[in-house]
Amino acid sequence: QSVLTQPPSASGTPGQTVTISCSGSSSNIGNNYVYWYQHLPGTAPKLLIYRNNQRPSGVPDRFSGSKSGTSASLAISGLRSEDEADYYCAAWDDSLSGVVFGGGTQLTVL
Amino acid sequence: QLQLQESGPGLVKPSETLSLTCTVSGASVTTNNYYWGWIRRPPGKGLEWIGSIFYSGSTYYNPSLKSRVTMSLDTSKSQFSLKLSSVTAADTAVYYCARHYFSGWDRYFDSWGQGALVTVSS
Repeated sequence: QSVLTQPPSASGTPGQTVTISCSGSSSNIGNNYVYWYQHLPGTAPKLLIYRNNQRPSGVPDRFSGSKSGTSASLAISGLRSEDEADYYCAAWDDSLSGVVFGGGTQLTVL
Repeated sequence: QLQLQESGPGLVKPSETLSLTCTVSGASVTTNNYYWGWIRRPPGKGLEWIGSIFYSGSTYYNPSLKSRVTMSLDTSKSQFSLKLSSVTAADTAVYYCARHYFSGWDRYFDSWGQGALVTVSS
């Protein structure tokens, strides 16, 4: 079981907005930044969001992140077929002195 | 352009030690604010952080794996390595190496290797 909790799956049709949630605790999300990664199996995972809501250069503004208390979310607007991938939230955990990941959400574009 | 490449045996026997090396090109492994990390993804499961190492030798390990993990870094070869002892089938996974940005409250992996599949089987 992962320290951070995500729904195992999400789906949407092209053009829709999909939101993926991530729930943690005061030792991780509540007291640290949240990060989001996109992973297509067989490829290198990619950083999508850092510092809760910042996008690295090259990441489309269709991807946005937010955080409130011990929860965070990733929103993908204008859904596209190439967004079909696994999405992971992550944070530093002060109690564990390490990185914790969510279990991952498999996004399907219908 | 930063590149990371994992290398090592693709098959390891149960109870033996898994050894992987990550070769870094396009950046220095001695840059401040960057640790170098290992993450794995078992088949059908999610990402799991294994540990991260700084060029000074400072390390952070996942508590659940700490007793079996050793990481090292060779600045002369721009490589860092992972050793995981007493492996079982549960250690079968794709292993990724990554650069771990580590400054203030920022702790994220900003560049990853393509991954190396390691299967534990007799």
